[in-house]
Amino acid sequence: GAVVSQHPSWVICKSGTSVKIECRSLDFQATTMFWYRQFPKQSLMLMATSNEGSKATYEQGVEKDKFLINHASLTLSTLTVTSAHPEDSSFYICSARESRGQPQHFGDGTRLSIL
Amino acid sequence: GENVEQHPSTLSVQEGDSAVIKCTYSDSASNYFPWYKQELGKRPQLIIDIRSNVGEKKDQRIAVTLNKTAKHFSLHITETQPEDSAVYFCAAPRLYNQGGKLIFGQGTELSVKP
Repeated sequence: GAVVSQHPSWVICKSGTSVKIECRSLDFQATTMFWYRQFPKQSLMLMATSNEGSKATYEQGVEKDKFLINHASLTLSTLTVTSAHPEDSSFYICSARESRGQPQHFGDGTRLSIL
Repeated sequence: GENVEQHPSTLSVQEGDSAVIKCTYSDSASNYFPWYKQELGKRPQLIIDIRSNVGEKKDQRIAVTLNKTAKHFSLHITETQPEDSAVYFCAAPRLYNQGGKLIFGQGTELSVKP
């Protein structure tokens, strides 16, 4: 149980392109999903928290207009990197939890490379 | 807000030995402490967690201990095997008005030598 699917797993695109990443909870309803960014050999940096049906909460220093988050249903959240540039290249991972106090379960991550 | 410190950053052990990774947290109200294992290029996987109403929890070769007074918790892996090699992250929730978001430690790269 507690499977989280993230798609795509790898994206290579040109600078200026917008990229959408999907995060789905397959066997549970996720009231909250989290988006992280991870640089090589570093920890998981929380970018934003999304609750179903409400606006995402962004961490300090994360641009809302750059990283658009939508959590339209209890099983799907999307992260759109708008007008991506090489400095946005990173490993993006989502996680989902059923309710507060429950464990977070992670997706497989998306490796984003902007040329 | 919550601050989580993890040590050591790297740990090398011989197969069969034990490995211990330690984390400290700053928010005394924190009540949930998970440990994740991340293999290279893969997702972090929850391997064990503990809540603040217990001091120790075991699952086969893995155990976690919690000292609420000192605000630290540790991961213990016994009889290590090469497949235990990975990066391990501890985490603690940022609670006050923050919905329990997890704050992660810096990670420990464990290498188990056959």
